[in-house]
Amino acid sequence: NAGVTQTPKFQVLKTGQSMTLQCAQDMNHEYMSWYRQDPGMGLRLIHYSVGAGITDQGEVPNGYNVSRSTTEDFPLRLLSAAPSQTSVYFCASSYSVFYADTQYFGPGTRLTVL
Amino acid sequence: AQSVTQPDIHITVSEGASLELRCNYSYGATPYLFWYVQSPGQGLQLLLKYFSGDTLVQGIKGFEAEFKRSQSSFNLRKPSVHWSDAAEYFCAVGARGNNNDMRFGAGTRLTVKP
Repeated sequence: NAGVTQTPKFQVLKTGQSMTLQCAQDMNHEYMSWYRQDPGMGLRLIHYSVGAGITDQGEVPNGYNVSRSTTEDFPLRLLSAAPSQTSVYFCASSYSVFYADTQYFGPGTRLTVL
Repeated sequence: AQSVTQPDIHITVSEGASLELRCNYSYGATPYLFWYVQSPGQGLQLLLKYFSGDTLVQGIKGFEAEFKRSQSSFNLRKPSVHWSDAAEYFCAVGARGNNNDMRFGAGTRLTVKP
């Protein structure tokens, strides 16, 4: 199993550009989520999905869109990047939303918005 | 809502010395508590968790943590630190043990001196 994979590892954008961060898992997990990690703030939940076709907002959803068309993939879209979105982004998956101790994290994407 | 504080941003210990990383939480009822480790360039890995029962919990890599309700704390300990323990450590608290209601601390970076 590859676990949770994320692409790209690094990305530099200009303000106003759009991009999609990719996340995939091969563990047949129903629950997937996106976090951002900022210095001094820990991880904050952006969006999550409890299964294909179902998504919901987390703690800091503004400026991000998600969709979940398959169990395996959960892309995160930035429609118009802003410098405040400079961060490290982690995707995570779990068997279920109810089992927080089974959450697996991807290696992260470091995004810089100029 | 629940919250968590990690008072120490950076700790340096000598290899072979003991380690204690502090974590204080705020939540009205019995929380679900977690410690994660993040090695450089990697995603987060679960070290241990407390859901209920014995307040001293054992985790992977020789770590343990003790839940102290009276102090609202969940400090992480290791009797003898190895150079490979150098990483960032995150404490997290959840209200229901669900993935989508966890709150992470800002992290403590551990440096191990030879």
